[in-house]
Amino acid sequence: QKEVEQNSGPLSVPEGAIASLNCTYSDRGSQSFFWYRQYSGKSPELIMFIYSNGDKEDGRFTAQLNKASQYVSLLIRDSQPSDSATYLCAVISPGNQFYFGTGTSLTVIP
Amino acid sequence: NAGVMQNPRHLVRRRGQEARLRCSPVKGHSHVYWYRQLPEEGLKFMVYLQKENIIDESGMPKERFSAEFPKEGPSILRIQQVVRGDSAAYFCASSQDRGYSPLHFGNGTRLTVT
Repeated sequence: QKEVEQNSGPLSVPEGAIASLNCTYSDRGSQSFFWYRQYSGKSPELIMFIYSNGDKEDGRFTAQLNKASQYVSLLIRDSQPSDSATYLCAVISPGNQFYFGTGTSLTVIP
Repeated sequence: NAGVMQNPRHLVRRRGQEARLRCSPVKGHSHVYWYRQLPEEGLKFMVYLQKENIIDESGMPKERFSAEFPKEGPSILRIQQVVRGDSAAYFCASSQDRGYSPLHFGNGTRLTVT
């Protein structure tokens, strides 16, 4: 079992819609959770982090964490073509290892 | 504040040559990670270092690859006797502390082995 699992997609949404990206992790003791965005040919860029159960909002982005179910999600409201990228979920395990999922490819269709 | 600086951005080597990739972390960050990424694939962890110490090299091939993070100067990822399969993007990331802070990535070095 991989430490972090994501649906690889591709996920396509029309412009203006909500994009929902999901991630599950295997180690129940994990405490820190991150979402990165990676454009093709570029490096990963941190867009959200969340440490506590519940929702955390930042502009059009909302991160959701449910430790009981061991999942993290990222919602992108009013999706724009510029949001088209690969989104990487990352988790720090209790052993302080930084694990990345393989990423979900998102395409926002104008 | 300068972010993570990697150089060179692009590196072309012939089979059998050595490749040296450099990474200067964010000022004040003492934790450095190296990742490799093949086209259309995810990030693959290679090695985690703190100043003068290799903490975890479980993702790095035992042969031909080595990494260091000296007390002074940048972290270096060294690949000896490169082969075509080493062609990839190599990303360095740094963090302020371990277990809590996010990683901040450099722009990467694109290695091409001809």
